[in-house]
Amino acid sequence: GAVVSQHPSRVICKSGTSVKIECRSLDFQATTMFWYRQFPKQSLMLMATSNEGSKATYEQGVEKDKFLINHASLTLSTLTVTSAHPEDSSFYICSARDRFWEGSYEQYFGPGTRLTVT
Amino acid sequence: GESVGLHLPTLSVQEGDNSIINCAYSNSASDYFIWYKQESGKGPQFIIDIRSNMDKRQGQRVTVLLNKTVKHLSLQIAATQPGDSAVYFCAENRKGRYNTDKLIFGTGTRLQVFP
Repeated sequence: GAVVSQHPSRVICKSGTSVKIECRSLDFQATTMFWYRQFPKQSLMLMATSNEGSKATYEQGVEKDKFLINHASLTLSTLTVTSAHPEDSSFYICSARDRFWEGSYEQYFGPGTRLTVT
Repeated sequence: GESVGLHLPTLSVQEGDNSIINCAYSNSASDYFIWYKQESGKGPQFIIDIRSNMDKRQGQRVTVLLNKTVKHLSLQIAATQPGDSAVYFCAENRKGRYNTDKLIFGTGTRLQVFP
């Protein structure tokens, strides 16, 4: 149980274009999902908290107009990187928290999406 | 963004030996800590967690120790195996805006197991 998927697993896009990454909780419902970014040989940096049915909460320094987050259902959150540039190339990882375990802090992580902007 | 922990070090151990991976955190109000294992090109995998009202917790071949006095966390892996080779991250739960919980990750430690 508690599986989170991401699609696509890898994507290459040209500079200036936008790319959408999907995060799905497959066997549970998630009112809260999280988006992280990880550069090579570095740690995971939290970008934003995605809340079902409401606006995402962005971490300091993360441009909300560049990284659009939509959490339209209890099993799907999307991250759209708009007007991508080579410096946006990174490994994007999502996680989700089971809504029926609100007292638990545990997050279930997806396998990540490798974004390369050329 | 925020992070906790030491600059990324590498720990090399011989197969069968015990491994100890350390992590320092900065926020004394953090109430929950987790260790994750990440293999190359994959998402983090949960290993073990501990709440701040405990100082030790054991799992299968792994033990987490929490010292709140010095804000230090460690992960002990018994009888390390080649399959344990990965990067290990500690993470702490903090309250964000609107009192929501969020995980802040440490910088990580690369564990290399050699025969």
